[in-house]
Amino acid sequence: RKEVEQDPGPFNVPEGATVAFNCTYSNSASQSFFWYRQDCRKEPKLLMSVYSSGNEDGRFTAQLNRASQYISLLIRDSKLSDSATYLCVVNRRWDGSSNTGKLIFGQGTTLQVKP
Amino acid sequence: EPEVTQTPSHQVTQMGQEVILRCVPISNHLYFYWYRQILGQKVEFLVSFYNNEISEKSEIFDDQFSVERPDGSNFTLKIRSTKLEDSAMYFCASSEALGLQIGETQYFGPGTRLLVL
Repeated sequence: RKEVEQDPGPFNVPEGATVAFNCTYSNSASQSFFWYRQDCRKEPKLLMSVYSSGNEDGRFTAQLNRASQYISLLIRDSKLSDSATYLCVVNRRWDGSSNTGKLIFGQGTTLQVKP
Repeated sequence: EPEVTQTPSHQVTQMGQEVILRCVPISNHLYFYWYRQILGQKVEFLVSFYNNEISEKSEIFDDQFSVERPDGSNFTLKIRSTKLEDSAMYFCASSEALGLQIGETQYFGPGTRLLVL
């Protein structure tokens, strides 16, 4: 089983739509959670960190459910510029001991926003 | 805004040759990482580096790979004898801390696209 699983999509939505991405992680020792955005052939860029209480940044809302080991990202009022691949990323302890900062990436979910 | 830089942006090499990929992390960062992404696949962790030593490495990071921080600014990844399957985008990343607290995160460089022929 993959440690971080995402639906690869693609999600094709019209401008202005609301779209939700889900992600599950298998290792309960995971400590920090992130959504990164990756444009074609570019580096991953942090979109937002994900906290247990949920957090919102403008049109983006992230939720974490530790009990279900589930992370979500909601994008409201989609823009053409939101077209990208969204990467679910977790950070966990190494072998149950110290944390080395290693990030584990999901395959990514591709979003295409159309006019 | 400070950023991670990487050179070269593209590298083409023959199988069996050595390559060195270079990175300049953000200046006040203490933790350094290399990741790779084979075309069409997910980003994969290679190695983390802190206090001048490797803190964790993946199964991919075998004896052909090494990392070094030769001075106060550069962080390099060396592949001693490249294989066809080493063809990938290699990303360097750095962070101020381990990402366990709010606001701590890893910043990625633009990547070096390595093609092994």
